[in-house]
Amino acid sequence: GAVVSQHPSRVICKSGTSVKIECRSLDFQATTMFWYRQFPKQSLMLMATSNEGSKATYEQGVEKDKFLINHASLTLSTLTVTSAHPEDSSFYICSAQSNFQPQHFGDGTRLSIL
Amino acid sequence: DAKTTQPTSMDCAEGRAANLPCNHSTISGNEYVYWYRQIHSQGPQYIIHGLKNNETNEMASLIITEDRKSSTLILPHATLRDTAVYYCIVRVAIRSEKLTFGTGTRLTIIP
Repeated sequence: GAVVSQHPSRVICKSGTSVKIECRSLDFQATTMFWYRQFPKQSLMLMATSNEGSKATYEQGVEKDKFLINHASLTLSTLTVTSAHPEDSSFYICSAQSNFQPQHFGDGTRLSIL
Repeated sequence: DAKTTQPTSMDCAEGRAANLPCNHSTISGNEYVYWYRQIHSQGPQYIIHGLKNNETNEMASLIITEDRKSSTLILPHATLRDTAVYYCIVRVAIRSEKLTFGTGTRLTIIP
């Protein structure tokens, strides 16, 4: 149980384009979803927290207009990287949680901006 | 959230028990100890969590000291697939609480 699916697993695109990443909880309803970013040889850094039906809460230093998060249902959250540039290249990971249960993570999306 | 201290790296022979320590001397009464691991190029995998009693599941055992200032994750029979970075995290168990990842312990299982 507690499977989180993230799609796509890898994306390569040109600078200036927008990229959407999907995160789905497959066998449970996720009242809260989280988005993390991980640069090479570093630990995961939380970008934002989203609760279904409400606006996401962004961590300090994360631009909310650049990283758009939508948590439209209890099983789906999306992260859109708008006007992506090479410095946005990273490993993006989502996690999902239901009440008082551990967070479960997707397998991540490796984003490369050329 | 309370901070945790873990060794940077450890080696363990295949088939032996891997014991990963974690210090969390400033843990609060309502904070749980969670363990996750991250295999290269994958998302973190939940292993186990506990409050004050020792816990065991199909993956591992968690031993928490009586004063709750430290804990040990035990992988009873390590395999090569257990090579990963292991993170010890303390947090309250409510739904909106984030996980703060430190640098973890890089565990290498040696054939």
